Amino acid sequence: QVQLVESGGGVVQPGGSLRLSCTASGFAFSDYGMNWVRQAPGKGLEWAAFIRYDGSSKYYADSVKGRFTISRDNSKNTLYLQMNSLRAEDTAVYYCAKTSFYHDSSGVFDYWGQGTLVTVSS
Amino acid sequence: DIQMTQSPSTLSASVGDRVTITCRASQSISSWLAWYQQKPGKAPKLLIYKASSLESGVPSRFSGSGSGTEFTLTISGLQPDDFATYYCQQYNSYPYSFGQGTKLEIK
Repeated sequence: QVQLVESGGGVVQPGGSLRLSCTASGFAFSDYGMNWVRQAPGKGLEWAAFIRYDGSSKYYADSVKGRFTISRDNSKNTLYLQMNSLRAEDTAVYYCAKTSFYHDSSGVFDYWGQGTLVTVSS
Repeated sequence: DIQMTQSPSTLSASVGDRVTITCRASQSISSWLAWYQQKPGKAPKLLIYKASSLESGVPSRFSGSGSGTEFTLTISGLQPDDFATYYCQQYNSYPYSFGQGTKLEIK
């Protein structure tokens, strides 16, 4: 069965950095686009970033562009999110989410991890 | 950027009811719309994609319709497990965007 397991969350000071990981299993990771979606406490969902199955294309929300970098290592079945210059408003649960269709970039997310909490606070 | 607006924000209903949630896009997104269900402390679950296609394993009481800028999610015959928050999401263009959510509560 498909499993996505996020890690790397924690408490970080404003201006600090953190790297999230998402380890995938149960499907051919290298054939599917992947995303990060975040949810601030008590708030709605916000899409943050996408990476194509082969890593050749990346897209970001304006709120994270220039500060966050999405990447993947298909040999390790792992997705990453490098977060720099963190702000209080980046506090959220971060989910990795698999794109539904093979070799497709459409934003339909059929499997999600359990999420990892990032808290930006001094 | 495309803004997604859901209504209502909160909906009270009883088991067995038929309920409808509306989602409006700030510009045409054709049929590139998905619906998700989220329960407290859990990850979202995909229900509907391409406006009206039911995800595998999702009960047939869930249905979606619409195109362009106006979409609906209908749940026919509410079950206790359906009380949750529902989000629409457009994937017509980046940045992808979600509606603010509709919380479905037990009346």
